[in-house]
Amino acid sequence: AQTVTQSQPEMSVQEAETVTLSCTYDTSESDYYLFWYKQPPSRQMILVIRQEAYKQQNATENRFSVNFQKAAKSFSLKISDSQLGDAAMYFCVLGQGGSEKLVFGQGTKLTVNP
Amino acid sequence: DTEVTQTPKHLVMGMTNKKSLKCEQHMGHRAMYWYKQKAKKPPELMFVYSYEKLSINESVPSRFSPECPNSSLLNLHLHALQPEDSALYLCASSQDLYRGRGTEAFFGQGTRLTVV
Repeated sequence: AQTVTQSQPEMSVQEAETVTLSCTYDTSESDYYLFWYKQPPSRQMILVIRQEAYKQQNATENRFSVNFQKAAKSFSLKISDSQLGDAAMYFCVLGQGGSEKLVFGQGTKLTVNP
Repeated sequence: DTEVTQTPKHLVMGMTNKKSLKCEQHMGHRAMYWYKQKAKKPPELMFVYSYEKLSINESVPSRFSPECPNSSLLNLHLHALQPEDSALYLCASSQDLYRGRGTEAFFGQGTRLTVV
């Protein structure tokens, strides 16, 4: 079975500071993908960043970057220069190649303080 | 157009009512999904359609009935719901899983359903 664990139910960060959200996962598949999605109060789930398991290089999207440690099955998200608009629920998500199912972590609620 | 559009945004229905949720995408995606999300919880998969055929039903009660009339549209028909079915219902779509391996799912804004 595939599982995703987010051990931080809530996190807070000061505006302009850096915060790291943790995620660990478990899968026996070799072909898989990892995503971070954010869900602000507006409800829409938005993709933040994605990482293919076969790529060693950590993905980066502007202020968002990941630390993908494949052997440790760890996939953390770093948000630099945090902005008020970053406040949301963040979900770590595991996808299997060729499968429609996405496995969601329990989520981390991020608060950004002005 | 990278949007998944869901209607209505809010719905209040009685336990004897019949209603439908609608979802539309024009990205050429061939996989479409229904998720149910309770407050402060992750989404739970309900149904998946792949090439307009139902490929996954996560043991969802028959009072929820999905329909995929064409590759752009996905409906969820509701009948005789219970108050515990009140939740946010999210629709999502993704590219053909066999040509677009590992592509992300695009989500709609959801329908906030309240059953009274």
